[in-house]
Amino acid sequence: AQRVTQPEKLLSVFKGAPVELKCNYSYSGSPELFWYVQYSRQRLQLLLRHISRESIKGFTADLNKGETSFHLKKPFAQEEDSAMYYCALRYGGATNKLIFGTGTLLAVQP
Amino acid sequence: GAVVSQHPSWVICKSGTSVKIECRSLDFQATTMFWYRQFPKQSLMLMATSNEGSKATYEQGVEKDKFLINHASLTLSTLTVTSAHPEDSSFYICSASAPLKYEQYFGPGTRLTVT
Repeated sequence: AQRVTQPEKLLSVFKGAPVELKCNYSYSGSPELFWYVQYSRQRLQLLLRHISRESIKGFTADLNKGETSFHLKKPFAQEEDSAMYYCALRYGGATNKLIFGTGTLLAVQP
Repeated sequence: GAVVSQHPSWVICKSGTSVKIECRSLDFQATTMFWYRQFPKQSLMLMATSNEGSKATYEQGVEKDKFLINHASLTLSTLTVTSAHPEDSSFYICSASAPLKYEQYFGPGTRLTVT
């Protein structure tokens, strides 16, 4: 069965420090992975999709099929990056279903 | 664009009563809507997938007679929690996706408290 694992519940860093939010997945098919972000008192929104291979708000994420990982990285954290980050795996083909990891709360200290 | 609303944002109901939650796509047609449940400090758990004009598909372990889903139009899906019990208290979130699009747009969620 498909699974998404985010081992860290909380990641606290200082402003300007590098950030890496870990995500590992288990899926028998061809994986399609996403990072979603939820800022305080806001709804969940898409941050990154691995297929796009783009950088959003300075964040990047590379799919490593050998390690079954999709870690989210940013070289210099900003206070406004503080939020809940969820890694998600799309499965079910045309049904477009998502399975989410448990989330990591990123706290960027001034 | 791509805004999804939910109503109500929070609701308190008595045990044994039913409560309906609406999910609307405001500026696009959503052929598929999804209903999630989120317990405190836990992840989103998919409850069911709702396609316009057809019966919802429920995930394993979700009681379809308790969580009634209706997707009557391309912009509206409803979740009715029937005969609610305190253990149904949770945060319910819907999302919607447009035809042939991968991205799901999420609503703000509805906090249900059953007393």
